[in-house]
Amino acid sequence: QQQVKQSPQSLIVQKGGISIINCAYENTAFDYFPWYQQFPGKGPALLIAIRPDVSEKKEGRFTISFNKSAKQFSLHIMDSQPGDSATYFCAASHLVDQKLVFGQGTRLTINP
Amino acid sequence: SQTIHQWPATLVQPVGSPLSLECTVEGTSNPNLYWYRQAAGRGLQLLFYSIGIDQISSEVPQNLSASRPQDRQFILSSKKLLLSDSGFYLCAWRISQRRTEAFFGQGTRLTVV
Repeated sequence: QQQVKQSPQSLIVQKGGISIINCAYENTAFDYFPWYQQFPGKGPALLIAIRPDVSEKKEGRFTISFNKSAKQFSLHIMDSQPGDSATYFCAASHLVDQKLVFGQGTRLTINP
Repeated sequence: SQTIHQWPATLVQPVGSPLSLECTVEGTSNPNLYWYRQAAGRGLQLLFYSIGIDQISSEVPQNLSASRPQDRQFILSSKKLLLSDSGFYLCAWRISQRRTEAFFGQGTRLTVV
C-alpha cells in the first residue's frame, strides 16, 4: 500500500524551464513533508521541507506548494538546470510514530 | 558533527545464504533509525524503523529482520536470501523528534545470485 503517491514517474524539461512534481497522501496524521534529491549510486539528500501549517515554502529555485484540504503537495524547480537532473522523492512523516515514508520517485532529466 | 556509516558498499550473495548489513551513527544519541530498500528504478520502500533501542517496527513482513543491539547501531538481517532481496539498501537516521531531516548512509548494493 503506497502511502504517498508521486507523479510523474519521469519528466523531461528543457534548460531554463519549470519542473513540477506532484504528490498526494491520505493519512492526516502526517505532519512533515520533505523532498529529497538522489543522484545515481548515492543516498538521498534533503532538498526542502514544509510543515502543514504553511501553504508555500521557497528556497532559491525550489518551491513547495502545499494544499492541506486536498492532501497534496508539489515541488517546483524554476530555471531548471542540467545539474538538477536526478531522482526526486517526496516523503511524509507521521506525527506519532515518526515513520517516514516516500513516494515512488520521479526521474528528472534537464536537456541542455 | 553527526555521521552515519553503512557497510559493506557492495555485496554479492548466493540464494539461501544469510545476510547482515550494519549501520552506525556517530555524534548523536537516541536517534530514530530506518532501513529502506530501493529496487532498480523504483522508490524507497520502508522496511524497518526504530524510535528507541527496544522499539523496532516492521513494515515489510518478509524474510528480513532488524535489530538494534546498541543505541546507535541498526542491523538488517536475513537467514536465507531470495533473488527478490536484491536491491539498494539504505540506512537513515533522524534526531528523535518529529519534523526533522533524515540523513542517509551511502547504501549497500546487494545482488543475490
